[in-house]
Amino acid sequence: QKEVEQDPGPLSVPEGAIVSLNCTYSNSAFQYFMWYRQYSRKGPELLMYTYSSGNKEDGRFTAQVDKSSKYISLFIRDSQPSDSATYLCAMSEGGGSNYKLTFGKGTLLTVNP
Amino acid sequence: EAGVVQSPRYKIIEKKQPVAFWCNPISGHNTLYWYLQNLGQGPELLIRYENEEAVDDSQLPKDRFSAERLKGVDSTLKIQPAELGDSAVYLCASSSKGPGLNEQFFGPGTRLTVL
Repeated sequence: QKEVEQDPGPLSVPEGAIVSLNCTYSNSAFQYFMWYRQYSRKGPELLMYTYSSGNKEDGRFTAQVDKSSKYISLFIRDSQPSDSATYLCAMSEGGGSNYKLTFGKGTLLTVNP
Repeated sequence: EAGVVQSPRYKIIEKKQPVAFWCNPISGHNTLYWYLQNLGQGPELLIRYENEEAVDDSQLPKDRFSAERLKGVDSTLKIQPAELGDSAVYLCASSSKGPGLNEQFFGPGTRLTVL
């Protein structure tokens, strides 16, 4: 079993839909939970992150962490065609540069106009 | 502010040939990372530098891969000889040090095809 599991999709939704992306993990020492967005032929860029449990909202994006279930989610409200990309979850045991990031496989999302 | 720069963006070589990738991190970032991203997979760390010192190279296949970061700025990743299975995207990232999350900023990657 991999440390981080993510459904690779692909996921196709109409514009304006609510999108739910999820990851599960097995390492209970993970403390930082990140979502990266990767457009085609580009490098990943950090979308948002959460430290420990709880929710975090940034505009149309909401990240949730449930450490008891070892389950994290990213919700996208009012999805736009510009949201079409691969979304990667990533986790680490600490925030410093010496802590290794463990990525999921990524979920390919297409938002159709 | 300029982001992480990588070159070349694309490289096609025949197996058993050598290849090198170059990375220029964000100015002032002491930590530099090289990642491997296979198709349909998330990035996997190959090596991490703190300034010019390779502090984590446990995932680097040292029989054919080598890396250097002279003067603690630019870095080069080399493969010699390349194998068919090395076809992938090679990503470079950099980060600065501070409290909380040290965000990693990624370059666009070098897409390697080995024929």
